[in-house]
Amino acid sequence: DIQMTQSPSSLSASVGDRVTITCQASQDISNYLNWYQQKPGKAPKLLIYDASNLETGVPSRFSGSGSGTDFTFTISSLQPEDIATYYCQQYDNLPRTFGPGTKVDIK
Amino acid sequence: QVQLVQSGAEVKKPGASVKVSCKASGYTFTSYDINWVRQATGQGLEWMGWMNPNSGNTGYAQKFQGRVTMTRNTSISTAYMELSSLRSEDTAVYYCARGGYSYDNWGQGTLVTVSS
Repeated sequence: DIQMTQSPSSLSASVGDRVTITCQASQDISNYLNWYQQKPGKAPKLLIYDASNLETGVPSRFSGSGSGTDFTFTISSLQPEDIATYYCQQYDNLPRTFGPGTKVDIK
Repeated sequence: QVQLVQSGAEVKKPGASVKVSCKASGYTFTSYDINWVRQATGQGLEWMGWMNPNSGNTGYAQKFQGRVTMTRNTSISTAYMELSSLRSEDTAVYYCARGGYSYDNWGQGTLVTVSS
């Protein structure tokens, strides 16, 4: 199975700050990576697919980059409604695997 | 609009089975895979497996092989996930999610509690 790691596990930032989360795969997954946002008590929501493509309707302050084993997710200007846990997920191989998540809150 | 509506919360005893449903609307049910993902309280997301509603083909994570069965009823656009030999560690919220690679629509989640 492909192992996904994320860092940091949690972060606290101010409104308007740039926030960056990294995700690393245990082997080359090309660009077969998604990013999801999950708010407490809610289902995950797809934000980014194919490592860098913004899902329809998702604000442009969210972005993703990377390929191979190293990926980055960025919120260019943190907003109060972005408080959530963010997960990366690979779909290069079965089983699909998720990172452990990064919890983002407001300082 | 696309919707996936899941069945309600369940409480089961250890050793029992649970069957969760996921009713799709707003799109052609047989055109998209359905995946099942679970989340224990305070924990991360765990992929359980997928089903192609058109063919009925399935693929399960090795961890659940032999205990999970994913089926569908195309006449009512509903997917099912049955998990048997339940143990306390199976207590979690179970989600269905649409898509082959990227999961663009999710059900609201079904809490399954396993307790004696």
